[in-house]
Amino acid sequence: KAGVTQTPRYLIKTRGQQVTLSCSPISGHRSVSWYQQTPGQGLQFLFEYFSETQRNKGNFPGRFSGRQFSNSRSEMNVSTLELGDSALYLCASSPLAGVRGNEQFFGPGTRLTVL
Amino acid sequence: AQKVTQAQTEISVVEKEDVTLDCVYETRDTTYYLFWYKQPPSGELVFLIRRNSFDEQNEISGRYSWNFQKSTSSFNFTITASQVVDSAVYFCALQGAQKLVFGQGTRLTINP
Repeated sequence: KAGVTQTPRYLIKTRGQQVTLSCSPISGHRSVSWYQQTPGQGLQFLFEYFSETQRNKGNFPGRFSGRQFSNSRSEMNVSTLELGDSALYLCASSPLAGVRGNEQFFGPGTRLTVL
Repeated sequence: AQKVTQAQTEISVVEKEDVTLDCVYETRDTTYYLFWYKQPPSGELVFLIRRNSFDEQNEISGRYSWNFQKSTSSFNFTITASQVVDSAVYFCALQGAQKLVFGQGTRLTINP
């Protein structure tokens, strides 16, 4: 079974631009979660999608948004980029959502650099 | 609120030494899950173990072992006879009612 894939792997943008990151979950997995990893803040939960619906959201400004398609693929968008948005963005998939202890399988991440 | 503390930011040991990574958590939930993940330089988080709050049994998997003590809210991870391939950042995580909360991570370097 193929793992979680994320595209692109690396991205360089300038302040004020917007960016869209893509995540394809493991086949059969319907839940996709997004995390931001920075040296200062560590790993922080962004949001979770299941069956095209956002189920849970972390404490991030409205510039961060996401969606999930009927094939479970997910995209996250960051508008009006700021220098502080530079981070590794990780996507994780799991078979179900809202199930405590559900193991999440992570992708390799997209490293976003904002100049 | 949920919180995970990994007090050791960086650990460096020589190959074949045993090393323990500490994890202390805070939660008001009575049912919760604890995890350990490994993040090698490639960036992908690799699942190592999951333990629920009702199961305090320690677990051993090869050179890896985990000690869960509810009384001290700790879930420590020990690598026995460490190897260079164990070099990575290790994250402890807690999931209560909702989202998964990670500790800050411990960067482990195993020197040959």
